[in-house]
Amino acid sequence: SYELTQPPSVSVSPGQTARITCSGDALPRKFAYWYQQKSGQAPVLVIYEDNKRPSGIPDRFSGSNSGTMVTLTISGAQVEDEADYYCYSTDSSGNHWVFGGGTKLTVL
Amino acid sequence: QVQLVESGGGVVQPGRSLRLSCAASGFTFRSYTMHWVRQAPGKGLEWLALIYYDGSSQFYADSVKGRFTISRDNSKNTLYLQMTSLRAEDTATYYCMRDSTYWGQGTLVTVSS
Repeated sequence: SYELTQPPSVSVSPGQTARITCSGDALPRKFAYWYQQKSGQAPVLVIYEDNKRPSGIPDRFSGSNSGTMVTLTISGAQVEDEADYYCYSTDSSGNHWVFGGGTKLTVL
Repeated sequence: QVQLVESGGGVVQPGRSLRLSCAASGFTFRSYTMHWVRQAPGKGLEWLALIYYDGSSQFYADSVKGRFTISRDNSKNTLYLQMTSLRAEDTATYYCMRDSTYWGQGTLVTVSS
């Protein structure tokens, strides 16, 4: 079955740039989505279709696609950005979706 | 505004069945593909199933195929997940999701004797 691979953890100091990667064979052909999930809360969409930012999401969040890897970049990470981040995409059929394993972002 | 409200969770014994509902409002429900996703305690997110906007096709994760059934009633703006032969490992918070954007707040299912 299709898999998306993320690093388990990323750590940065406040104000630094955090980059979270997600790799998968279908990513050159299928859009990726990124969700932020804080403890005890439902996930929130922060990037859709590889690099689009929903309204209300700070512009320090951005996304990029470089073939079989997509990257969520948080420029000037803040303490409130500490959360788990998940990438989400589909296999080549478009009908079986999968989440990456999640990346715990620590900002301190 | 888009609102998704899950219900139907609770404590259920292993082997029993449960039906979850997701009431949608604030958008044209019949126009969107809908998904179910779950999260076991302390674990990551797991996609379970999707159903096309008109109910014509459904697709499932291997982990629930044959046990769970996704359905919808566009006249009631409601999405369902029928879960059978429940196991302890099905214990999780279950979320409905509109396409890949909006999420509900989730409903907790605990499978325990």
